[in-house]
Amino acid sequence: EPEVTQTPSHQVTQMGQEVILRCVPISNHLYFYWYRQILGQKVEFLVSFYNNEISEKSEIFDDQFSVERPDGSNFTLKIRSTKLEDSAMYFCASGGLAGGYNEQFFGPGTRLTVL
Amino acid sequence: KNEVEQSPQNLTAQEGEFITINCSYSVGISALHWLQQHPGGGIVSLFMLSSGKKKHGRLIATINIQEKHSSLHITASHPRDSAVYICAESGGGADGLTFGKGTHLIIQP
Repeated sequence: EPEVTQTPSHQVTQMGQEVILRCVPISNHLYFYWYRQILGQKVEFLVSFYNNEISEKSEIFDDQFSVERPDGSNFTLKIRSTKLEDSAMYFCASGGLAGGYNEQFFGPGTRLTVL
Repeated sequence: KNEVEQSPQNLTAQEGEFITINCSYSVGISALHWLQQHPGGGIVSLFMLSSGKKKHGRLIATINIQEKHSSLHITASHPRDSAVYICAESGGGADGLTFGKGTHLIIQP
């Protein structure tokens, strides 16, 4: 069964460093999403991506964040200058249908630790 | 912005019991999602519904659009059902999900 994959599973970085989190969505899906979950808190939406551009973003997704789909298979989240408060689990998700209501399929997550 | 509220926050039950988890939301939605998160952190989609009722194995999800309320039921609960169950809403298409805080369910043998 197709699944969303994410790498790395765990990333440790120093404050101020740039990190890139990678995701491979399910191959025929059209919508791509990033979410984060700070330890002990609820999952929060960051950004959605459709037709090679950002479709929607939350107020969390400020100028230090960017997303890219560089090669038609990978979907990346870049954090330019990490802060301590960026420490969280980051989930990628993808959804299949054009328009309509999308069931979203989640990857296993990348745990980001900023020291 | 839609608010998604779940109850109870924590639920401990004995194996075999019938479980109900509730979800309410503040404004009209396009789709209501139920998801499961295991201790390792992975999130699995259980149901997406916009009306009526859906059933998958021992899991049943219902939604009442007029009352802005959904329930997730587990019949004949088992210790392997122990997980966090999360309700989320979306507007469809590229809309991101707005998550509730989750219900932490423990089923004791």
